[in-house]
Amino acid sequence: GAGVSQSPRYKVAKRGQDVALRCDPISGHVSLFWYQQALGQGPEFLTYFQNEAQLDKSGLPSDRFFAERPEGSVSTLKIQRTQQEDSAVYLCASSLTTRDSYNEQFFGPGTRLTVL
Amino acid sequence: GENVEQHPSTLSVQEGDSAVIKCTYSDSASNYFPWYKQELGKRPQLIIDIRSNVGEKKDQRIAVTLNKTAKHFSLHITETQPEDSAVYFCAASVYSSASKIIFGSGTRLSIRP
Repeated sequence: GAGVSQSPRYKVAKRGQDVALRCDPISGHVSLFWYQQALGQGPEFLTYFQNEAQLDKSGLPSDRFFAERPEGSVSTLKIQRTQQEDSAVYLCASSLTTRDSYNEQFFGPGTRLTVL
Repeated sequence: GENVEQHPSTLSVQEGDSAVIKCTYSDSASNYFPWYKQELGKRPQLIIDIRSNVGEKKDQRIAVTLNKTAKHFSLHITETQPEDSAVYFCAASVYSSASKIIFGSGTRLSIRP
């Protein structure tokens, strides 16, 4: 079936503008993660959902970052009043949670955000 | 929290030679260590992983080793080929589908023809 998809693939925003990034996980996947990947760096964890519940948001860098997954499927990462340091690739990953086992996190292609 | 250090940051090897990437982690609670390959402009893809109850795992030309006591783990690629050129990330996590992955900073591997 289809993998994780993200939209838009590229977003250019002026400093101070609000942006919304969308993630469509693999159908049936319970767990959804957002990561931020700065140029030349490894992905850094932002937040985690299990179904519609946001269980960990410890990686969100400031209160300008907000994520939701209201129906336990599609997720949106919103960044308010964007700053230049927000420029990065935002990766979404999903995994099929089963009890007492590990399921691979499948990554989407990412959204490259450039803040001017 | 967990911190993963990775080196070297860049690595160039002759085609056919071996490549080794080394990582360390800080949190003894981590018990799952995946390795990802990311080609330019593409998504990270899992290439091999190892759990802390295993010291070594091999899959064709790729092998990973883990020294739990020293908190070291390594990726070994033998008989390198041009298609192995990419950025490789080591990572640490807890063996659970609810666990975030902590990534190293990456190694850019180039294979010289």
